[in-house]
Amino acid sequence: AQKVTQAQTEISVVEKEDVTLDCVYETRDTTYYLFWYKQPPSGELVFLIRRNSFDEQNEISGRYSWNFQKSTSSFNFTITASQVVDSAVYFCALIRGSRLTFGEGTQLTVNP
Amino acid sequence: EAGVAQSPRYKIIEKRQSVAFWCNPISGHATLYWYQQILGQGPKLLIQFQNNGVVDDSQLPKDRFSAERLKGVDSTLKIQPAKLEDSAVYLCASRPIQRTPNTGELFFGEGSRLTVL
Repeated sequence: AQKVTQAQTEISVVEKEDVTLDCVYETRDTTYYLFWYKQPPSGELVFLIRRNSFDEQNEISGRYSWNFQKSTSSFNFTITASQVVDSAVYFCALIRGSRLTFGEGTQLTVNP
Repeated sequence: EAGVAQSPRYKIIEKRQSVAFWCNPISGHATLYWYQQILGQGPKLLIQFQNNGVVDDSQLPKDRFSAERLKGVDSTLKIQPAKLEDSAVYLCASRPIQRTPNTGELFFGEGSRLTVL
């Protein structure tokens, strides 16, 4: 079985603060892919990043960065200098075969 | 490129009534998914199609839920009869066929929000 845990239900920050969203996963597979999705109030899930289990290099894309640590089964997401538009629910997900399993999500609120 | 289209966006029904949701995936995407997202939770897979065949429906409550994708393009999800606990957002997603199945991201529609009273 596979499982994704996002322990932080809600996070509230003030604009320009950095914020890290935690994700811990469980899988018996040796090859797997991890994802982060953003769900703004409109409801559509927007793909942010995909990372495979063989690539532990951290990735940076603008204000977003991801820290994948296989040893701790974690795939954390950091937003630097947060903005009000970053307010959304963020989901971490794990894919096995073609089934995508989501965590429960973290509601991020960025206040002006 | 047009995204995944879903309708209706909102639906309110009484318990024991029936409801149907429609999804039109991105053109050329062979794989189509229906997810159920209860408020405050992550999406849960209900059913996955590849073309017009069912790949995974292990989490679909088959006594009341049904789905079809007759021509391998758009899809319909039906609930009959609805229960209070079916109140949720029903998300449709699609993905093109990948050589390695688990590399590609899913593209989601905006969802259909169901309220059962």
